[in-house]
Amino acid sequence: EDKVVQSPLSLVVHEGDTVTLNCSYEVTNFRSLLWYKQEKKAPTFLFMLTSSGIEKKSGRLSSILDKKELFSILNITATQTGDSAVYLCAVDEDGGGSQGNLIFGKGTKLSVKP
Amino acid sequence: EAGVTQSPTHLIKTRGQQATLRCSPISGHTSVYWYQQALGLGLQFLLWYDEGEERNRGNFPPRFSGRQFPNYSSELNVNALELEDSALYLCASSRGRTLRETQYFGPGTRLLVL
Repeated sequence: EDKVVQSPLSLVVHEGDTVTLNCSYEVTNFRSLLWYKQEKKAPTFLFMLTSSGIEKKSGRLSSILDKKELFSILNITATQTGDSAVYLCAVDEDGGGSQGNLIFGKGTKLSVKP
Repeated sequence: EAGVTQSPTHLIKTRGQQATLRCSPISGHTSVYWYQQALGLGLQFLLWYDEGEERNRGNFPPRFSGRQFPNYSSELNVNALELEDSALYLCASSRGRTLRETQYFGPGTRLLVL
């Protein structure tokens, strides 16, 4: 049973569009939720979220966490072709055999057409 | 500051052989994590090393093993290779587990088992 579920699995948009990527999770001892961008190989870190309702922002990207409803969203405004990548959501869980590792969703593949 | 480095970038082996993958963490990081990213499966946690000790392992058979050296670099060994071991192996490092420390990923080693 997947503990971290991302939707949609893939998305095709045109430059300038705004996209919202979703991540829902189900873990017992939540520590944090992280977003990564994976273009070729190395996932690059985007955001770490630990508190509900506090938006993290970096340029055209922003993300927010809802710990009551157990989900997070990643928004990208004014998309560019360089935003094309797989966006990974991961949850850091305390204890319960998951200590130390991140639990990843399967990712959302975003394609931005010119 | 140099990021996480991994070697080799690509590795081709045949069934039954052994593979050794190497990872150097970011300077100052003591924790090293190994993940497997097989096609269509997302990132799966393999092993976590901190301060030279194995702290946790994922649901992988014992032929996946590793170690961490005094300089915090790490090695992942895969014995008796099987075709389904073909995947991208990613290493990540962090400053440890006492605080909510972000994991930063290396570029990965792509292993192909023929």
